[in-house]
Amino acid sequence: ELKVEQNPLFLSMQEGKNYTIYCNYSTTSDRLYWYRQDPGKSLESLFVLLSNGAVKQEGRLMASLDTKARLSTLHITAAVHDLSATYFCAVDIRTGNQFYFGTGTSLTVIP
Amino acid sequence: GAVVSQHPSWVICKSGTSVKIECRSLDFQATTMFWYRQFPKQSLMLMATSNEGSKATYEQGVEKDKFLINHASLTLSTLTVTSAHPEDSSFYICSAGRGGLSNQPQHFGDGTRLSIL
Repeated sequence: ELKVEQNPLFLSMQEGKNYTIYCNYSTTSDRLYWYRQDPGKSLESLFVLLSNGAVKQEGRLMASLDTKARLSTLHITAAVHDLSATYFCAVDIRTGNQFYFGTGTSLTVIP
Repeated sequence: GAVVSQHPSWVICKSGTSVKIECRSLDFQATTMFWYRQFPKQSLMLMATSNEGSKATYEQGVEKDKFLINHASLTLSTLTVTSAHPEDSSFYICSAGRGGLSNQPQHFGDGTRLSIL
């Protein structure tokens, strides 16, 4: 059974602090995606990671992928309130972009 | 702007009603679209893969007679929840990619919030 697990599930942090969200998956894949979801909204694409060692950065967020460890990280630097949302990783294990989503991490940044 | 359009955004109906949800790719052709369901404060669960011109592929545990999928054209997939009951209330989201082993992320519709009374 495929498992895509995120850690932590809930995260509350103060503005200006740093933290890392982890995404572990249980099967071979070299395509991993990070999405953001605001309450009541659909998903917004953040990062596409397509190979071992891939690192992408956008603003205060940086994502990396280690396919050997089956681990991706989403690092938050100097958090701001606008980053409050739920973050999902998703693994593509088949052709045709069929995604399996992680458990999600609900992030609250406190001013 | 949005590249995948989903309609309706929110629907409330009585138990026993059938509800159709549309998913359209706006500026590209999608031979494959995906349907997900999301319960409150939970992750997205893949329900089925919609294949243009052929039968949908359902994930284990998803009733194909309950959730009818039709992908009649390269830009439109529909999900019909037949004889809906309160336990079918959920947030349904479709997605489409620009094809194949793309290095592009899936584009998601805005979702349909279904409430069955």
